[in-house]
Amino acid sequence: NAGVTQTPKFRVLKTGQSMTLLCAQDMNHEYMYWYRQDPGMGLRLIHYSVGEGTTAKGEVPDGYNVSRLKKQNFLLGLESAAPSQTSVYFCASSGGYAGYNEQFFGPGTRLTVL
Amino acid sequence: DAKTTQPNSMESNEEEPVHLPCNHSTISGTDYIHWYRQLPSQGPEYVIHGLTSNVNNRMASLAIAEDRKSSTLILHRATLRDAAVYYCILRSSGGSNYKLTFGKGTLLTVNP
Repeated sequence: NAGVTQTPKFRVLKTGQSMTLLCAQDMNHEYMYWYRQDPGMGLRLIHYSVGEGTTAKGEVPDGYNVSRLKKQNFLLGLESAAPSQTSVYFCASSGGYAGYNEQFFGPGTRLTVL
Repeated sequence: DAKTTQPNSMESNEEEPVHLPCNHSTISGTDYIHWYRQLPSQGPEYVIHGLTSNVNNRMASLAIAEDRKSSTLILHRATLRDAAVYYCILRSSGGSNYKLTFGKGTLLTVNP
């Protein structure tokens, strides 16, 4: 099992450019999440999905869009990148959302917007 | 979400036990106590969770106070690979509690 994988690992964008981050999981999990982590801060939830074809907003959704066309994939898009979106992005998945369900995280994508 | 309080940093020596404390005085009866850790330049990793009773797994033990207002993550023999930020997180047992709320955690340094 590869678990949760993220593509790419690193990316540098110029302000106004667009890009898509890909997250894939092979654990047949229903729930998937995108978080961002800024220096010295904890992770903050951007968007999440409770199943194929569904998406919902998290704490900091502005400037991002997501899609979950296949159960195993969760895409995070930046339509017009801004320097404030420089961050490390983590994808996670879980079998459920109950208090006892653990989340499995990917290795992260380090994004720099110039 | 109920709040947790952890020390900013702790130090340990290799092969010695480590006790990482967490205070959660406003915990509700339906909140699970989760611990995650984040190694340098990696994503968070689940360590252990519990509700009322102490829990053991291959990575660690979780000791929960009788009144549930505090808990302690125990690493029985610290290794250099255990150097990480450790997060204590409360999660309600139900409802639309999708996110994990990460605080600043405890930075554990392990000395050789």
